[in-house]
Amino acid sequence: AQSVTQPDIHITVSEGASLELRCNYSYGATPYLFWYVQSPGQGLQLLLKYFSGDTLVQGIKGFEAEFKRSQSSFNLRKPSVHWSDAAEYFCAVGARGSTLGRLYFGRGTQLTVWP
Amino acid sequence: NAGVTQTPKFRVLKTGQSMTLLCAQDMNHEYMYWYRQDPGMGLRLIHYSVGEGTTAKGEVPDGYNVSRLKKQNFLLGLESAAPSQTSVYFCASSFEVGELFFGEGSRLTVL
Repeated sequence: AQSVTQPDIHITVSEGASLELRCNYSYGATPYLFWYVQSPGQGLQLLLKYFSGDTLVQGIKGFEAEFKRSQSSFNLRKPSVHWSDAAEYFCAVGARGSTLGRLYFGRGTQLTVWP
Repeated sequence: NAGVTQTPKFRVLKTGQSMTLLCAQDMNHEYMYWYRQDPGMGLRLIHYSVGEGTTAKGEVPDGYNVSRLKKQNFLLGLESAAPSQTSVYFCASSFEVGELFFGEGSRLTVL
């Protein structure tokens, strides 16, 4: 069965600093991988996704993520964090070949940005 | 440009009461989902539907029922609410794997 681990429950960075949020997954083959962001009181918004091809994917709001098959990881990065990036971030995995579209989510990483 | 709309957004129930959460999507998506979000637990799938008239159990289905009588609507019911069902409930829909579109959530408190 698929599973997702986000090792960091809470991360604090200063505005302008770089950011890396970790995500490890468990799956028997190459999965579909996603990062979602949730602002307070809001639903989740898709930041970026990896289906195939280039392992470095670009998303919205200046985020990128790199798929590393050997490490079963899909870490999210941003070179310079803005105060508006403070939110909760969820990594998710979906099964290739599935017609269901369902995803398995990690438990989330809460990002705090200091001015 | 509504996307996924959930009603109500807030509700307080007493133990044993029943209620229904309504999810409506205007994107003609086949797949719809109900998740619950609890602190430190991420999102857990309650029930989902792969098309009109179909429903299936997710990870945490106990105490909930669902119906998908129309393609655009997905209802989540609690027949006899319990304090353990205090949570934020999210509806989502998708056309294909992973492109989930979420509603803004419904916060339920069971006293």
